Parts: sequence; C-alpha cells; structure tokens
Amino acid sequence: DAKTTQPTSMDCAEGRAANLPCNHSTISGNEYVYWYRQIHSQGPQYIIHGLKNNETNEMASLIITEDRKSSTLILPHATLRDTAVYYCIVRAAGIQGGSEKLVFGKGTKLTVNP
Amino acid sequence: DTAVSQTPKYLVTQMGNDKSIKCEQNLGHDTMYWYKQDSKKFLKIMFSYNNKELIINETVPNRFSPKSPDKAHLNLHINSLELGDSAVYFCASSQGRGGGYGYTFGSGTRLTVV
Repeated sequence: DAKTTQPTSMDCAEGRAANLPCNHSTISGNEYVYWYRQIHSQGPQYIIHGLKNNETNEMASLIITEDRKSSTLILPHATLRDTAVYYCIVRAAGIQGGSEKLVFGKGTKLTVNP
Repeated sequence: DTAVSQTPKYLVTQMGNDKSIKCEQNLGHDTMYWYKQDSKKFLKIMFSYNNKELIINETVPNRFSPKSPDKAHLNLHINSLELGDSAVYFCASSQGRGGGYGYTFGSGTRLTVV
C-alpha cells in the first residue's frame, strides 16, 4: 500500500470549513484513498473514499488531484464534535492489489475551536 | 442495536493473569479484526478472520490467541498478562477481504495491567 503524509495537527474555527491535506505521491492506479477519523476514546469511524473523482457524502467531501498524488478532505462546516484524529489511508480494493489489512498512520489531529 | 460490541469496556488485572475480550458484530460481515492502540496512539492490526479462517496474524506474542466460533464473533484471549499489554483493544468488522471501505469498529476495551 502506498505511503501517505499528513500534517501532525491543524486548527479550525467552529462553523468554518476544515481542509485536511494528504500526500500520496506513490499511489498506484488501482489504489483508493480512504479517510477515517477517531474521536477521543472511540473506535475509528469511516468517513469517505474515492479513486479519482471527487466524492461527497453527508459527512464530508473528498477532492483528489488530477495526478492523484494528493487529496483533501473537506468538512464544510466544522463543529466542536469534529475534533478528532483524521487518517488518510491508501490501499487497493480487493486482496489482489495489496495486503488485506487496513494500516493506520499517525493521522492529523484536528482541533475545532469555538 | 450496536453494530460491533466489545466486552468488557474496561479491564484491570494483575500481571500473570489470563483474560479474554469478546467481540460480536450484527452487521452480517464476514471479516473481523483485532487492533491494538498503545499509549502513543498508534493503531496496529493484530489478527483478522474471514469466515472463521485466520487470514492475518501479525507479529504478536503467542500469549495472544484469537478465536472465532462463527463469523459474527471474534474473541481475544491473553495469557500471562504483562505490563506492556496495557492498551486499548479495538475489534472491527468488514464485508469481504481487502479494500478499505466500510470497516466498522467497536468502542474499544481499555486493558490495564498492574
């Protein structure tokens, strides 16, 4: 699975958009970008994933650059409950393209301030 | 109602004891996992079962033994507990092998060895 690089920490004002970057310059053509988050003392929670097109769901938007070497998770209107560690993970779908385990890096600690 | 449930939520025990953590999922998923999150907050996979078959067995001491009686249950038994085993253990499930979509995590079991 390709490696990802994320900033260690970020701050965001409540009500503003939170833009969390992720670099994955060695991503392969069959690898997806997944985002999870872990709110303090809870288990990780799936947010969104994408291959090359931008994706949006009720939680967030995912913008993937055309060369797929980086992506940005956007929380459009951050709330205090969005304070969490956000993990960007790159891996292939199916067992043929990569290992069968979801590997978590260090992630980005997002703090939403009132 | 809970999708992935772990018991107990907290476990405090003395060195040398044997303990078990239980996990059950009601999502109909066929793959289950155990992750360990240490004091530095790194999430590391330990084991994975697919339809009761062990498919991932990371470098974990033999004192740790997973058991999957059916695809809805994955238990973790730990023998001769050591201080270094203190951590939060998360159970997770997903449908299918590979990919990174739709992992559902439990709320964790905080194990403290004294």
